[in-house]
Amino acid sequence: QKEVEQNSGPLSVPEGAIASLNCTYSDRGSQSFFWYRQYSGKSPELIMFIYSNGDKEDGRFTAQLNKASQYVSLLIRDSQPSDSATYLCAARWAAGNKLTFGGGTRVLVKP
Amino acid sequence: EAEVAQSPRYKITEKSQAVAFWCDPISGHATLYWYRQILGQGPELLVQFQDESVVDDSQLPKDRFSAERLKGVDSTLKIQPAELGDSAMYLCASSPRPQETQYFGPGTRLLVL
Repeated sequence: QKEVEQNSGPLSVPEGAIASLNCTYSDRGSQSFFWYRQYSGKSPELIMFIYSNGDKEDGRFTAQLNKASQYVSLLIRDSQPSDSATYLCAARWAAGNKLTFGGGTRVLVKP
Repeated sequence: EAEVAQSPRYKITEKSQAVAFWCDPISGHATLYWYRQILGQGPELLVQFQDESVVDDSQLPKDRFSAERLKGVDSTLKIQPAELGDSAMYLCASSPRPQETQYFGPGTRLLVL
């Protein structure tokens, strides 16, 4: 069974620091990976996606993919209180279009 | 900016009753998804439509859940009868094509008493 695993947290970081979130997946056939942010009681919103090994940067966010080790990470630089949310990692397998989500990591940014 | 619309936003029902949720995807999006998200967990795909056809309903509890997208535009998800364990957020998402990014609607929060 294809699985995506995340530490549930909470990950507590001081304002202005870097938050580092990790995600591991079970199947090497995974093709692409997505990070969604979800505020309490709201729906997920896409932050960024990554397909290739290495780093991808978008503003204060950097996604890192290592297919050999089967993990993907998200760095949030200069963390703000508004970044406090649950971050969902999702993987899409090459064989289909289905997104499989991890359980999410709760991030708390303290002023 | 175009958005996925869902209604109702909240629904409280008693077990054994029937409930229905509606979703209107972003205009032009051929692929539509229904997810269920239990509190503290990630979303789980229930059903995926390509136009009016179901392409994946492997995780849909077909004894009580049904979904349709008759004209390939909006969609309805029904539960009959509802059970206590169905309490969750039901999320609809759409994408232009299956391989493209999915955009989520605001969700319907269901509470079964």
